[in-house]
Amino acid sequence: DTAVSQTPKYLVTQMGNDKSIKCEQNLGHDTMYWYKQDSKKFLKIMFSYNNKELIINETVPNRFSPKSPDKAHLNLHINSLELGDSAVYFCASSQGVGAGGYYEQYFGPGTRLTVT
Amino acid sequence: ILNVEQSPQSLHVQEGDSTNFTCSFPSSNFYALHWYRWETAKSPEALFVMTLNGDEKKKGRISATLNTKEGYSYLYIKGSQPEDSATYLCAENTDKLIFGTGTRLQVFP
Repeated sequence: DTAVSQTPKYLVTQMGNDKSIKCEQNLGHDTMYWYKQDSKKFLKIMFSYNNKELIINETVPNRFSPKSPDKAHLNLHINSLELGDSAVYFCASSQGVGAGGYYEQYFGPGTRLTVT
Repeated sequence: ILNVEQSPQSLHVQEGDSTNFTCSFPSSNFYALHWYRWETAKSPEALFVMTLNGDEKKKGRISATLNTKEGYSYLYIKGSQPEDSATYLCAENTDKLIFGTGTRLQVFP
């Protein structure tokens, strides 16, 4: 039974399209995150939600909008996709409030987005 | 140090060798230091979360130490095995996790 799942695993789309990536965790965690793995393989935080409330919003284009319908789900919607959005996006979750702090984070398998 | 830095970038060792690598981080505004193991085609998995200066943690053959005053952590692997091959990431928590670029370890049989 997967702890943190993401769909789809691969997403190939054209510039200008709107797409969503879904994330679900069955660990009962309060906090969920979206990370982007950039071209240099860095993992960078994009957003963090705690109990459906946005608590971290990094400098991310406003074409990216997270939505948390409940604390087990955190979806990422991207409008007007650009070539530079091509990356692997990881969802994660942890107990507690904030950016993970004293609690380890559990990562999903990643979604490889390719914009052509 | 302004960023989380890891060294070396990559490491090749023979099975049975012991190895260690370094994570350096800005030591102001420190809350916690995380270590993750990231195998190819998988997702990062937590190894340790350390918070106190002088902390030492151990999981099997892998251990880690923390020096918050000078801003570094060491990860040690005793008697490396091929299944230890992975990228080892550290991340400093200030108000969010800042990851280093990782140390890629390959263990040859």
